[in-house]
Amino acid sequence: ETGVTQTPRHLVMGMTNKKSLKCEQHLGHNAMYWYKQSAKKPLELMFVYSLEERVENNSVPSRFSPECPNSSHLFLHLHTLQPEDSALYLCASSQDTGGALSSYEQYFGPGTRLTVT
Amino acid sequence: GQNIDQPTEMTATEGAIVQINCTYQTSGFNGLFWYQQHAGEAPTFLSYNVLDGLEEKGRFSSFLSRSKGYSYLLLKELQMKDSASYLCAVRDSNYQLIWGAGTKLIIKP
Repeated sequence: ETGVTQTPRHLVMGMTNKKSLKCEQHLGHNAMYWYKQSAKKPLELMFVYSLEERVENNSVPSRFSPECPNSSHLFLHLHTLQPEDSALYLCASSQDTGGALSSYEQYFGPGTRLTVT
Repeated sequence: GQNIDQPTEMTATEGAIVQINCTYQTSGFNGLFWYQQHAGEAPTFLSYNVLDGLEEKGRFSSFLSRSKGYSYLLLKELQMKDSASYLCAVRDSNYQLIWGAGTKLIIKP
């Protein structure tokens, strides 16, 4: 496997279900991110982890719970979601989070298309 | 608040040149990114500007003016495969990316 992988690619869940999204990066990066992408809206940053420590939580509802067991893996645990949570959930990684002169561009996984019924 | 503005949609002809503009108002500035996203796929990195001026990379160039809060992505010799959404993002004072909604570029033969 190369780059950033995500599983599952598609997920349909009811509002009372509990599920988890998995992300794995094979790039040796130190930072990982969860984004939500809804149609015709900007990417919404949900969580940032740097060296396995959470550094950003942008007022995300508690029904989304991240977990970063090591620098290569990132999970997003989902429970009691709402229909408006249906979206594409993207995972990304970068060498680091900071530094202006260094781009530290983010590499994205293919995403999980989540539908909440 | 923080804001990134870019046109929603643009149309261009194969072989032509197109310029996609991006204006931003953010709390701090630590670089500007352009990403390409084909329908149903992940965004992929195109370019990075942190100093004023033009960065050229093959058929794609990106320009930045920090004093004007403005950038553009220039695509030359357009090909059908360039049909995609182009996302502008600014890294703010907290080193987090603030994203625009993207510009959908349609290439016609």
